[in-house]
Amino acid sequence: GAGVSQSPRYKVAKRGQDVALRCDPISGHVSLFWYQQALGQGPEFLTYFQNEAQLDKSGLPSDRFFAERPEGSVSTLKIQRTQQEDSAVYLCASRRMLAGGDTGELFFGEGSRLTVL
Amino acid sequence: GESVGLHLPTLSVQEGDNSIINCAYSNSASDYFIWYKQESGKGPQFIIDIRSNMDKRQGQRVTVLLNKTVKHLSLQIAATQPGDSAVYFCADRKTSYDKVIFGPGTSLSVIP
Repeated sequence: GAGVSQSPRYKVAKRGQDVALRCDPISGHVSLFWYQQALGQGPEFLTYFQNEAQLDKSGLPSDRFFAERPEGSVSTLKIQRTQQEDSAVYLCASRRMLAGGDTGELFFGEGSRLTVL
Repeated sequence: GESVGLHLPTLSVQEGDNSIINCAYSNSASDYFIWYKQESGKGPQFIIDIRSNMDKRQGQRVTVLLNKTVKHLSLQIAATQPGDSAVYFCADRKTSYDKVIFGPGTSLSVIP
């Protein structure tokens, strides 16, 4: 497809379960970002990849959160031992290689809504 | 810490009127300021951005104004349409290669 694709769109997990959220970025986009968006709030940065390298993971809230992008394309965000406070929409965004003067527009997917019971 | 925030959480405007959405930022080191639009159930969509060395930038029906003296950013939407109803986020980025930091958002409702 032409846009960023995320799956699943909706996920219900019982507290303590592990979940994996997938992001397919726009083909050829070098950079990939994960954000967490709680209800009524703005997206909060989680982590950032350039190709397969995770350059910034300062936003990951705990060591239960793990992200990978092993081949520099598809990325997976994994949350272990989910807690109720993990309930949110997880947004993935991608960005193409920047040229001189390019401000680097982010293209977002529609998100994966996680509900932890 | 670094943050981008908004003056008003909600805004209602009559269809055809102009809308102005305001934003205050605290990070003087940011090089780029960006506006995103988010419709219900969708991811944020880029609207327009402005570099810190500019005061004004115009797009199609939108204008972004940057006042670095008072650390204020605004988005003006001309002839607001029902399709403009959404949550609008201001955001900033230190450099071209950095992560984007979002503010909490303003909900715009257009009254037909």
